[in-house]
Order: sequence, then C-alpha cells, then structure tokens
Amino acid sequence: NAGVTQTPKFQVLKTGQSMTLQCAQDMNHNSMYWYRQDPGMGLRLIYYSASEGTTDKGEVPNGYNVSRLNKREFSLRLESAAPSQTSVYFCASSEAGRWPQHFGDGTRLSIL
Amino acid sequence: AQKITQTQPGMFVQEKEAVTLDCTYDTSDPSYGLFWYKQPSSGEMIFLIYQGSYDQQNATEGRYSLNFQKARKSANLVISASQLGDSAMYFCAMRVTGNNNDMRFGAGTRLTVKP
Repeated sequence: NAGVTQTPKFQVLKTGQSMTLQCAQDMNHNSMYWYRQDPGMGLRLIYYSASEGTTDKGEVPNGYNVSRLNKREFSLRLESAAPSQTSVYFCASSEAGRWPQHFGDGTRLSIL
Repeated sequence: AQKITQTQPGMFVQEKEAVTLDCTYDTSDPSYGLFWYKQPSSGEMIFLIYQGSYDQQNATEGRYSLNFQKARKSANLVISASQLGDSAMYFCAMRVTGNNNDMRFGAGTRLTVKP
C-alpha cells in the first residue's frame, strides 16, 4: 500500500529550465494538493484539485501549472524555473470533510 | 479567505510534562475542520487529531487533545506526558467545508522536549 508517491525525490535545475513533478495516489481520493515548504514558512498551498477534472489556485500559484491527469495522478509543472522556487514540494490527497490529508515524502528541488 | 496563525515559532518542554501549542484561525464560514500534523526531522507529515466546528466535545487521541474555543477561534493542541520523540514541527491546518476542499496550514511551531 504505497499511499502517495512523489517523483523525483531530489532534483537540481538551472534557472530557466522546466520540469514536472509527478504525484500519484492509490487511495481513490477525490482531492489532491500541491504545497511548497520553505524554511520557517510552513506549508503554502500552490494548487489543488477538488475532484478529477477540476483545479484551483491556492496561495502561491504564480510560476506553476498543474494537470489532474486522472483520479490517481496530479502533476506540478515549473515552466521556467527561478531560484525563488527552491523549496521542498509536497503532494497530498484526501477526501472531503473530517478526513485528513495523506502526504507524499516530498521532492527537494534546488534551482541554481 | 481563511487564515491560520501559530504565534509560537519554538517551544521547549521538560520530558513527562504537558505542553500547549497555540493555533488561532479566521473564517467567516460556519462549517470547517481543524487538523494538527506533526513533522519530525525526517520530513514526513503525520496526522495527529481533528476537530469539526460542530463537534460538541473537544477531540482527544491518546496523549493529544485539542482545546477548541470556538468563540475565540482557537484550537490549541495539548500534548500530555511529553516524550523525547515528540520533538518535531507541529502544524495547525483548516479546511472550510464546501470551499472546494481547500486546506491551509499555519507556519508551525518547533517543539523541543528536554530530558
């Protein structure tokens, strides 16, 4: 039972490069989320998808795009990476209501 | 828009004592849920406890309890009988029901348990 799987776990990019972070969940959850965690800043919501076919902006969506490929998969794309996007990225999934989110192990992304 | 505030960047507690981590929130929606997560140094996010806005009693889960004061919009986490393994970052989070399942986190409190 894998839960939420994020790939890759680590990545180093040069400024201006693009990349896609992948996330997949096997719990049949409707909702999926992408957060970034900077030192001392807690988790900030980038985008979320309440259900398959929908996506919405969170607190810090600029510089990112997302795709809810199907119910299992929710990807995050950086079109032109900037040093300010250096962070740890977490994907999560959940049902609505009182059900907690389940998190992946995170992707540590460094942009030089 | 909903907002979560954790005003204690760091807290220290002696092993076996109780500690309270503060969380205040702001929402105009009457239906919402409050969550606490633990993040040890290894980085994973561990769900601890949940409180619904309409729940009549404060939530408890083992050594964790939530001191929910709705009028004050506070949802403080109480950890009883602290253990060395409780040293971690603790995050408060809120989900507003019906708001497309949007969920927001506070900045966190780093708890250090002293032997």
